Amino acid sequence: ETGVTQSPTHLIKTRGQQVTLRCSSQSGHNTVSWYQQALGQGPQFIFQYYREEENGRGNFPPRFSGLQFPNYSSELNVNALELDDSALYLCASSSPLAGDGGGTQYFGPGTRLLVL
Amino acid sequence: AQSVSQHNHHVILSEAASLELGCNYSYGGTVNLFWYVQYPGQHLQLLLKYFSGDPLVKGIKGFEAEFIKSKFSFNLRKPSVQWSDTAEYFCAVNARSNYQLIWGAGTKLIIKP
Repeated sequence: ETGVTQSPTHLIKTRGQQVTLRCSSQSGHNTVSWYQQALGQGPQFIFQYYREEENGRGNFPPRFSGLQFPNYSSELNVNALELDDSALYLCASSSPLAGDGGGTQYFGPGTRLLVL
Repeated sequence: AQSVSQHNHHVILSEAASLELGCNYSYGGTVNLFWYVQYPGQHLQLLLKYFSGDPLVKGIKGFEAEFIKSKFSFNLRKPSVQWSDTAEYFCAVNARSNYQLIWGAGTKLIIKP
């Protein structure tokens, strides 16, 4: 069973640029959630995708957008990057078919984004 | 709004000491409760979880947690820690109707050999 993978592992961008981060969900999982983890803090929920539709969104501006593809992989896009966007971006996958109601999320290694 | 509070940001213990990390949450409905661990250089891993049933749940590596509904708490425990338990520990909660995970700020645990 393949776990959650993310690419790239590290990225450096300058303020105002755009970035796309990618995530492949664990085999059999159709739900992907994205989180932002700033240094020294717990992860903050950005949004969740279920069957290619956005299924919930946290308190992030519209310049954070996403996609989910038919194979359940997902992208996180951030436009007009700001210095405060520097963080570790985590992707997690889950499946509502699991006996626990789909509440368990399995995480990838993250993408560390630095905005200069 | 839901929130999760972890009482200690940094904990330093000697090997063989007992561990208890506090976690309290605010939400009036039914919740799922999780502890995740992040070892140095590794990604977040599920340590244990509670959905229903026995409020004392056992996880990997000898960890356990107890859900006390009346106190809105889900404290993590281990009777005897090892140097390899050095890591950051996160408590997280989601409501049954909303799979968004709400996280505590994390507790950095350092075990002195």
